[in-house]
Amino acid sequence: NAGVMQNPRHLVRRRGQEARLRCSPMKGHSHVYWYRQLPEEGLKFMVYLQKENIIDESGMPKERFSAEFPKEGPSILRIQQVVRGDSAAYFCASSPRQEGTDTQYFGPGTRLTVL
Amino acid sequence: DAKTTQPPSMDCAEGRAANLPCNHSTISGNEYVYWYRQIHSQGPQYIIHGLKNNETNEMASLIITEDRKSSTLILPHATLRDTAVYYCIVRPNTGGFKTIFGAGTRLFVKA
Repeated sequence: NAGVMQNPRHLVRRRGQEARLRCSPMKGHSHVYWYRQLPEEGLKFMVYLQKENIIDESGMPKERFSAEFPKEGPSILRIQQVVRGDSAAYFCASSPRQEGTDTQYFGPGTRLTVL
Repeated sequence: DAKTTQPPSMDCAEGRAANLPCNHSTISGNEYVYWYRQIHSQGPQYIIHGLKNNETNEMASLIITEDRKSSTLILPHATLRDTAVYYCIVRPNTGGFKTIFGAGTRLFVKA
């Protein structure tokens, strides 16, 4: 059973460009979470999605950031007009839709560098 | 804010047991204790979780006090590869609750 997959693993963008980060949850998992880890800091929650729905986006910046989890395909975290402060590791986690066993499993992350 | 308190760092000799403490005095009745670790810059790795009974799996043991206000993660025979930041987290064990990470404990396993 493959784990959570994220791609690309490393992404370099120039200021003003767009960054698209993809996350494929574990098989059978219908909940996806995105977290961001700035250099030398802890992980911060950004957004929680179920298929075709954003459930909690309380940790996501109001501008330039968006997320989706379509019916088919991976979840996408999109950052428009990137700035240097967006440089960070972005982790995706998934969990199954089951009461009592809803452990989140994390992917390897995408490291975004903004030049 | 994280609902847990952990020492910022700990050392352990290779081959010895590593005991990582965590205080969660405001834990609610429906909240579980979860442990994750992050090795260097990799994605957080799930270790173990529990509600009120002690738990053991192939990676570690989790000891939760009777009043549930603190817990200890035990790595029975630490190896150099166990050097990592260990996060103790409390959260409900039902879908849809974000994980709030604190600063964790940086464990150094020394040869």
